[in-house]
Amino acid sequence: DQQVKQNSPSLSVQEGRISILNCDYTNSMFDYFLWYKKYPAEGPTFLISISSIKDKNEDGRFTVFLNKSAKHLSLHIVPSQPGDSAVYFCAAIQGGSEKLVFGKGMKLTVNP
Amino acid sequence: NAGVTQTPKFQVLKTGQSMTLQCAQDMNHEYMSWYRQDPGMGLRLIHYSVGAGITDQGEVPNGYNVSRSTTEDFPLRLLSAAPSQTSVYFCASKDGGWHEKLFFGSGTQLSVL
Repeated sequence: DQQVKQNSPSLSVQEGRISILNCDYTNSMFDYFLWYKKYPAEGPTFLISISSIKDKNEDGRFTVFLNKSAKHLSLHIVPSQPGDSAVYFCAAIQGGSEKLVFGKGMKLTVNP
Repeated sequence: NAGVTQTPKFQVLKTGQSMTLQCAQDMNHEYMSWYRQDPGMGLRLIHYSVGAGITDQGEVPNGYNVSRSTTEDFPLRLLSAAPSQTSVYFCASKDGGWHEKLFFGSGTQLSVL
């Protein structure tokens, strides 16, 4: 039973354009959502997060949107850069839990 | 700053062999955890610890043992390796509350033949 779903395995965009990465979840008890970025042969690194009491959080070129009624969140990268090429993981956690649940990941390729 | 250090980076085992994956962090984080990453499966939680002397199971704990005798170290033990345990293993730690971000090590690539 996959609680966090990243249904598109890959995305390819041109440098300078917007990248939109989507994530759906099934557990309505999730309170906090995080995005991690992973380069080959490295561990994941934290990118941005959002609390369930918000619908948007912005950090530089990265913005995460949360639609609780649809159980959907998205990560927008504007403008996309070649260095953004990586695998992006969506993750969610329930308040008070210590178990962070990850999606399968999505490979983003930004072409120069 | 070292952060989270995992050793070894690569390991090949034969079915039935045992080994310990080492994880150490120098950030004085109370929480530590082990994940495995498999193609098409994302990251799955194996075991976690909220402090020295305390461990608990994650999503896929079978075949793995952990202990937490110090704040710094959280080793993962495979008692009898199986081909299904071929994976990339990541150790992670965090400070503060449940919503805090995880800091990951660079991973251990394990192959069980």
